[in-house]
Amino acid sequence: KQEVTQIPAALSVPEGENLVLNCSFTDSAIYNLQWFRQDPGKGLTSLLLIQSSQREQTSGRLNASLDKSSGRSTLYIAASQPGDSATYLCAVHLVGGSEKLVFGKGTKLTVNP
Amino acid sequence: GAVVSQHPSRVICKSGTSVKIECRSLDFQATTMFWYRQFPKQSLMLMATSNEGSKATYEQGVEKDKFLINHASLTLSTLTVTSAHPEDSSFYICSAGRTRSTEAFFGQGTRLTVV
Repeated sequence: KQEVTQIPAALSVPEGENLVLNCSFTDSAIYNLQWFRQDPGKGLTSLLLIQSSQREQTSGRLNASLDKSSGRSTLYIAASQPGDSATYLCAVHLVGGSEKLVFGKGTKLTVNP
Repeated sequence: GAVVSQHPSRVICKSGTSVKIECRSLDFQATTMFWYRQFPKQSLMLMATSNEGSKATYEQGVEKDKFLINHASLTLSTLTVTSAHPEDSSFYICSAGRTRSTEAFFGQGTRLTVV
């Protein structure tokens, strides 16, 4: 059974800092990995999608890496801003007939001005 | 990216009544949509996979007679919580993707409160 773990559960940083969020998964047989942002009481906003054959994806100040063999992904946020405060979720797309995503519990990020 | 619209965003209902939540893909056709449930400070848990024109596939432990799913067209799936009870209070979110294994897009979520 695929399990996704995110560390840390919560993180508080001053504005301007660079930071890394971690995601690990137990089964390397994945189609892709997706990072989402969730604001309180809101739905999910897709940030980055990394296919299983890729090692990283970048979008603006965000960079996500994937090491499928070791079951790890990181989300790097450069020059953090208070508007980055949210919960960040990592999810893996399973191989083998199902299209469902398995989610981690998320990392709650607070960027202090 | 693609747009998935979910309605309503909030609903309060009395215990014993039924509530319908709609999920629409606005700019693409989705043969498959997914319904998730999220409890406070917990991750999203998949409830069921909604297949256009056929029965939904429910995850283990999810009561199919309580959570009725209808995927009548390629752009609309509905989740009906029947005979709702306070323990059904939760955040329900739907998702859809263009094709298998591509990027998933999520609706805004529905906060259901059963009183």
